Amino acid sequence: KAGVTQTPRYLIKTRGQQVTLSCSPISGHRSVSWYQQTPGQGLQFLFEYFSETQRNKGNFPGRFSGRQFSNSRSEMNVSTLELGDSALYLCASSLGGQGDIQYFGAGTRLSVL
Amino acid sequence: DQQVKQNSPSLSVQEGRISILNCDYTNSMFDYFLWYKKYPAEGPTFLISISSIKDKNEDGRFTVFLNKSAKHLSLHIVPSQPGDSAVYFCAPQHASGGSYIPTFGRGTSLIVHP
Repeated sequence: KAGVTQTPRYLIKTRGQQVTLSCSPISGHRSVSWYQQTPGQGLQFLFEYFSETQRNKGNFPGRFSGRQFSNSRSEMNVSTLELGDSALYLCASSLGGQGDIQYFGAGTRLSVL
Repeated sequence: DQQVKQNSPSLSVQEGRISILNCDYTNSMFDYFLWYKKYPAEGPTFLISISSIKDKNEDGRFTVFLNKSAKHLSLHIVPSQPGDSAVYFCAPQHASGGSYIPTFGRGTSLIVHP
């Protein structure tokens, strides 16, 4: 069974640009969550999509958005990039129920110059 | 406002000894507690979990203890091995808006010396 795939693995952008990250979940998983990891901050929850609907959202500005397609693949978009957006962005998929394990991709490392 | 605190950013242990990683939480709504392990350049992977109705769960060398009254849980690794060197995240969860999203602590970096 293929794991969670995130593309691209690395990205370099400049301030003011926008970026789109992609995540392919494990087959059969309907929940896809996105996290931002920065040094010393752990994993900060961005949002969760379940069956193409955003089911939960963290405390991030509106520049961060996402969507999920009918095949459960998900994308997240960050517009008007700021230097502070430099981070590792992780995607996780799960069945979406109580106590479910999340399976993470290797992440996309975004550097904003 | 951190709901989940892992107060030790790092821990160094000798191979063969016990590693104890601690986690404190404030939200009494948490009903499942998971631990994830993360190696550099990889995403976190699930390690072990415990339900709020239990106080101990064991899986091989890994044991998680939950003290609900103290809002504290700990992960014990016995014996510790060099391959256990990684960052460990405590991640309790509860139902919120129909989903069960874990709240991650900032992690504890464990180094096991040969």
